Amino acid sequence: AQKITQTQPGMFVQEKEAVTLDCTYDTSDPSYGLFWYKQPSSGEMIFLIYQGSYDQQNATEGRYSLNFQKARKSANLVISASQLGDSAMYFCAMRPISGNNRKLIWGLGTSLGVNP
Amino acid sequence: DAGVIQSPRHEVTEMGQEVTLRCKPISGHDYLFWYRQTMMRGLELLIYFNNNVPIDDSGMPEDRFSAKMPNASFSTLKIQPSEPRDSAVYFCASSLLAGYNEQFFGPGTRLTVL
Repeated sequence: AQKITQTQPGMFVQEKEAVTLDCTYDTSDPSYGLFWYKQPSSGEMIFLIYQGSYDQQNATEGRYSLNFQKARKSANLVISASQLGDSAMYFCAMRPISGNNRKLIWGLGTSLGVNP
Repeated sequence: DAGVIQSPRHEVTEMGQEVTLRCKPISGHDYLFWYRQTMMRGLELLIYFNNNVPIDDSGMPEDRFSAKMPNASFSTLKIQPSEPRDSAVYFCASSLLAGYNEQFFGPGTRLTVL
């Protein structure tokens, strides 16, 4: 069965420091995509970054990067130089790439607080 | 460009009443998703459509819930009759067929059933 596990329900980081949010996954699909979303207190879900299972390089988007370790089935989100506006819930999600299934499997999220 | 539009943003109703949530996806998107988010259960996919056709409704809780997509620019999620346990934030999202297929979310509808 497909599953996403985010083991850190909540964490804090000091402003301007880097932080890693953990995500491990379980799937039997040979190819899949991994997504990270941010949900600030205002409630909207914001897409941050995507990693394909066959991508040779780790994905990066500005201050966001994805530490993808396929053998360990982990796809950790790294936020560099944290800002106060990074305080939010962060969700990891996955779906198979092959076939027509567009259903995302979601983790329960990690709450990140950034201290000034 | 306008994002995903949902209405109403907040809905307070009494148990037993019918509730209709509305969604306008991003123009040109091929997929539309309805989610429910609660503290206890997290984010749950209720149903999704491809080109207006329901593909997977396995997440619809029970017969009280129904969803339609009469055209490419409009979808509804209806709860009849509503119950207090339906209180949640309901999100609509849409995505393209091509590319990453990342889902773009609407602002959500916060439903409270008294």
